[in-house]
Amino acid sequence: QVQLVQSGADLKKPGASVQVSCKASAYTFSGYYINWVRQAPGQGLEWMGWINLNSGATNSAQKFQGRATMTWDTSISTAYMELTRLTSDDTAVYYCARTRGYSHSDFWGQGTLVTVSS
Amino acid sequence: EIVLTQSPGTLSLSPGEGATLSCRASQTVISSFLAWYQQKPGQAPRLLIYGASSRATGIPDRFSGSGSGTDFTLTISRLEPEDFAVYYCQQYAFSPLTFGGGTKVEI
Repeated sequence: QVQLVQSGADLKKPGASVQVSCKASAYTFSGYYINWVRQAPGQGLEWMGWINLNSGATNSAQKFQGRATMTWDTSISTAYMELTRLTSDDTAVYYCARTRGYSHSDFWGQGTLVTVSS
Repeated sequence: EIVLTQSPGTLSLSPGEGATLSCRASQTVISSFLAWYQQKPGQAPRLLIYGASSRATGIPDRFSGSGSGTDFTLTISRLEPEDFAVYYCQQYAFSPLTFGGGTKVEI
């Protein structure tokens, strides 16, 4: 069955960068996109952006432009999201989810908790 | 960006009762590009409805979605114990994709 398995929890200091990985299995990786969505503690869901796993084209929310970089490695069916210049406001669970771009997300990773604290 | 407003914020119901959740968009959501997700504590969201009214694979038929334009509804016909959770709507017609603030369905 389709699975997205994310990297483990991470603790970072303010100003640092974090990279979250998302390994896909049981479907044609390059036939889809990956959405990145985050959820601050006790808060709702926030879309960060997506990457087209065939072309590498990306589309991200304005607030993350210049700070979030989405990449992929087809050879290992893995997508990555790097977020730089972290602040405490970036403390959240980060999810990857399968999509086709302007479409719903049908399968989600288990989430990765990123904690930003000095 | 399209702002999605969900109401009510919290719905207190008993198993067996029906639930009606509302999602109102600040602009028309073209082609009914609207989805509903269920999220339980400590879990990732789960797709319930896409295209405003199509049930995702494996979703029980007690869940139904309706609406178009700016007003959308998720209906749960008879609440089962496992349905108590937070529900989010999402529009994917325009970038940035946006989510509503959520409705908590509690016992």
